[in-house]
Amino acid sequence: DAGVIQSPRHEVTEMGQEVTLRCKPISGHNSLFWYRQTMMRGLELLIYFNNNVPIDDSGMPEDRFSAKMPNASFSTLKIQPSEPRDSAVYFCASSLTSGSGVDEQYFGPGTRLTVT
Amino acid sequence: SQKIEQNSEALNIQEGKTATLTCNYTNYSPAYLQWYRQDPGRGPVFLLLIRENEKEKRKERLKVTFDTTLKQSLFHITASQPADSATYLCALDGYGSGNTGKLIFGQGTTLQVKP
Repeated sequence: DAGVIQSPRHEVTEMGQEVTLRCKPISGHNSLFWYRQTMMRGLELLIYFNNNVPIDDSGMPEDRFSAKMPNASFSTLKIQPSEPRDSAVYFCASSLTSGSGVDEQYFGPGTRLTVT
Repeated sequence: SQKIEQNSEALNIQEGKTATLTCNYTNYSPAYLQWYRQDPGRGPVFLLLIRENEKEKRKERLKVTFDTTLKQSLFHITASQPADSATYLCALDGYGSGNTGKLIFGQGTTLQVKP
């Protein structure tokens, strides 16, 4: 398996532009997580899906952020409009949630976003 | 709210020694705790999981302890090698997450093993 795939790996955009980050989870995994990592705040959970349904989006910073998971093999995180403070590394992770809650997560390589 | 604390200062040790990293938490009693390794420019990689009813877990040169009274987990790397140099993150199951697998991560501690 290729692991969790994210694209693009790097994104540089100007303030006000729309940014779309993409994620392909590991085949067979039923949970997908979007994280943001910065030096100041560490690794923060933004939103997670279970069986393509958003379960908890309480970590989404504001309405400028939205996430979708139209099918089991694809998810997007969109920022519109982007702001300089959104600059961070965004990770996607997936897991096979067994129902026990004790499941390791597999992370993608991340997308480094720079908003100027 | 939940709070997870890991030593923000880098840990520098000599090759061959045992590295010990600490993860403290407050305002919650997690059902399990996980440890991840993160190398620069890469995503975290799962290492070990320990449940609340387990005192200790081992995997090769790694050992994790879980003290629910002290609200603390210790992560040990014995016979450390320069290749062990990385940032190590602890993660707890999110409060109220049920069985959804939601994790809350600490800030991580950077380990540097010198040859």
